[in-house]
Amino acid sequence: GENVEQHPSTLSVQEGDSAVIKCTYSDSASNYFPWYKQELGKRPQLIIDIRSNVGEKKDQRIAVTLNKTAKHFSLHITETQPEDSAVYFCAARDEGGGADGLTFGKGTHLIIQP
Amino acid sequence: DVKVTQSSRYLVKRTGEKVFLECVQDMDHENMFWYRQDPGLGLRLIYFSYDVKMKEKGDIPEGYSVSREKKERFSLILESASTNQTSMYLCASKTGANTGELFFGEGSRLTVL
Repeated sequence: GENVEQHPSTLSVQEGDSAVIKCTYSDSASNYFPWYKQELGKRPQLIIDIRSNVGEKKDQRIAVTLNKTAKHFSLHITETQPEDSAVYFCAARDEGGGADGLTFGKGTHLIIQP
Repeated sequence: DVKVTQSSRYLVKRTGEKVFLECVQDMDHENMFWYRQDPGLGLRLIYFSYDVKMKEKGDIPEGYSVSREKKERFSLILESASTNQTSMYLCASKTGANTGELFFGEGSRLTVL
């Protein structure tokens, strides 16, 4: 099955700086890579996703990049703000592989220092 | 607005008790999932279902079973709760297409004493 590794487990950045979270996956058949954000005490919510037919996707201050050859993908947050503080999970799945669920990384606790 | 509702936010049970965690979604989604969330271990898939009365094992099914008698409802059952099942349990749903966003419930925090 798929295995997703996520680094770092904790990331502390100054407000206004950029944050980068990296993930690697093992199954070359995986072609869908979402990122979920979980604020303290709340449910995980999708913030951005990318499919393997593109190398980069942006949504305002958030971007995701994908390197299929190296089997890694990254989340980039620019101009970080206090509301970016949360746990971020990367995930991967093979969208042609049936109805099974996503395989998640272990999460990154992002702390925005004022 | 998609809503996934888990009936119990907090439960405290004793070792050996039978525990039911209920999840209901209102978007007519075909697929439903139960994940377990533990610090440092992320979200791990316990069971999923792609149709009424259908179920498939995830990565950590041992000690759990599930029931899906109606499309909107997916139950997680702990036949005999143990202390190592103390955790946050998250239900999720998505459409039947081989694509699409997972919508999560608020979670059920279970403590087994």
